[in-house]
Amino acid sequence: GAGVSQTPSNKVTEKGKYVELRCDPISGHTALYWYRQSLGQGPEFLIYFQGTGAADDSGLPNDRFFAVRPEGSVSTLKIQRTERGDSAVYLCASSLGIGGYTFGSGTRLTVV
Amino acid sequence: KQEVTQIPAALSVPEGENLVLNCSFTDSAIYNLQWFRQDPGKGLTSLLLIQSSQREQTSGRLNASLDKSSGRSTLYIAASQPGDSATYLCAVSAGYSTLTFGKGTMLLVSP
Repeated sequence: GAGVSQTPSNKVTEKGKYVELRCDPISGHTALYWYRQSLGQGPEFLIYFQGTGAADDSGLPNDRFFAVRPEGSVSTLKIQRTERGDSAVYLCASSLGIGGYTFGSGTRLTVV
Repeated sequence: KQEVTQIPAALSVPEGENLVLNCSFTDSAIYNLQWFRQDPGKGLTSLLLIQSSQREQTSGRLNASLDKSSGRSTLYIAASQPGDSATYLCAVSAGYSTLTFGKGTMLLVSP
C-alpha cells in the first residue's frame, strides 16, 4: 500500500482481556518496528523484525507482550492479560534500510 | 543507555518568527539523527535525517544541524506559520535496531 496501515485505530478493552493490534507495512519494506507512546512521552521501542524473524525484542516490557510477522509482511502485536498501564498509542513503522522510516497513524489502546 | 532530551518542552510564538528547537543525547556513538513531526492523533512524519558524518540538512524552511561530539542537534524553523503547529520529536539511532526518542517540543504558532 501507499503507507503503513494500522488497525484498529482505537481499541477499548477490559482489564485482563487479550488484544491483537495489526500492522500492514509498505509493500517491499523488509524492516518493521513496533513502538509504544504514552501520553506526554516520546515513542519507546518494543520490537524490530527483519523479514519474518524478530531481530531485536529487547523493548518488550514483559512476557505478556508478543509479536509475529509470519510471512514477512503483516505483523500482529499481541498483548495478554491486559493491564491499565498498557494503555498507550502503539505505533508501527517500516523501512527499507537505516533511516527512511514510515510510521503508521497508530492504534490507541485503552484498558478500562 | 542512550537518553535524549529536548528543550523547550513547549513553545508558543507569533507567526513569522524564526525559532530553534534543541535536542541533546548522552551517547555520541550514533549512526544518524532524525527530526519528526507529530500532529495530534497522528503518526510521525520524518522531516530531516542527518547521518553521523554530516553536519546539517535542509528542507525548505527547516534546517537541522548535528554536533555529534557534543551530543547536540538543533532544528531551525524559518518564518514560522500556523501550519507548523505540532509536536517535534528528535530521535537517534545506533544502527538497524532502535530509535531512541526525546519527549518532544510542542510548538504553537499563532496567526
